[in-house]
Amino acid sequence: QVQLVQSGAEVKKPGASVKVSCKASGYTFNSYGITWVRQAPGQGLEWMGWISTYNGDTNYAQRFQGRVTMTTDTSTSTAYMELRSLRSDDTAIYYCARGSACLYSGSCNWLDPWGQGTLLTVSS
Amino acid sequence: QSVLIQSPSASGTPGQRVTISCSGSSSNIGSNIVSWYQQLPGTAPKLLIHNDNQRPSGVPDRFSGSKSDTSASLAISGLQSEDEADYYCAAWDDSLKGHVFGTGTKVSVL
Repeated sequence: QVQLVQSGAEVKKPGASVKVSCKASGYTFNSYGITWVRQAPGQGLEWMGWISTYNGDTNYAQRFQGRVTMTTDTSTSTAYMELRSLRSDDTAIYYCARGSACLYSGSCNWLDPWGQGTLLTVSS
Repeated sequence: QSVLIQSPSASGTPGQRVTISCSGSSSNIGSNIVSWYQQLPGTAPKLLIHNDNQRPSGVPDRFSGSKSDTSASLAISGLQSEDEADYYCAAWDDSLKGHVFGTGTKVSVL
């Protein structure tokens, strides 16, 4: 079945970096875009950005520009999201999701499926 | 911050119908496809409605979506205890050039 499996929970200190992985299976990886969404404790969903698995094009949310890098490894059907200069308010669950109709641009019609989420805790 | 506004909560007794609204603008709901997601406690969001009003296979027909101008709605008919969850609307925003989510609605079954 189509699924996205993410890497495990991380604990980082302020100022550090984190790289979360998202391994896809059950479909042709480079036929769909991958979107990253985060959810702070008790809060709603926040779109972080998108990457084309076809050509590596990216589109990042303004507030993460300069701090985030999304990449893919088509040989292992894995997407990655690296976030740098971590702050305490980056503490959240980070999700990857397959995007529909957004292989060439970030304007996904919908997101399905979602990974199980990766909890990032930023604390000194 | 979210640009799609939802009422914070909704509730009903088993069997009742509950409606959740999602208010946006011409740059998002007014010009792009709306999707809805269900997030059960402690789990990842799950696609509930796509293309404004289409249900993915496996989603019960108790769930229905609609859209008019710059607003969208999700209706749950025949409410069941397992429907207790947070629900989010979403759409692409042409002005922000990003995917935007609603503020979320917590549905409780009394």
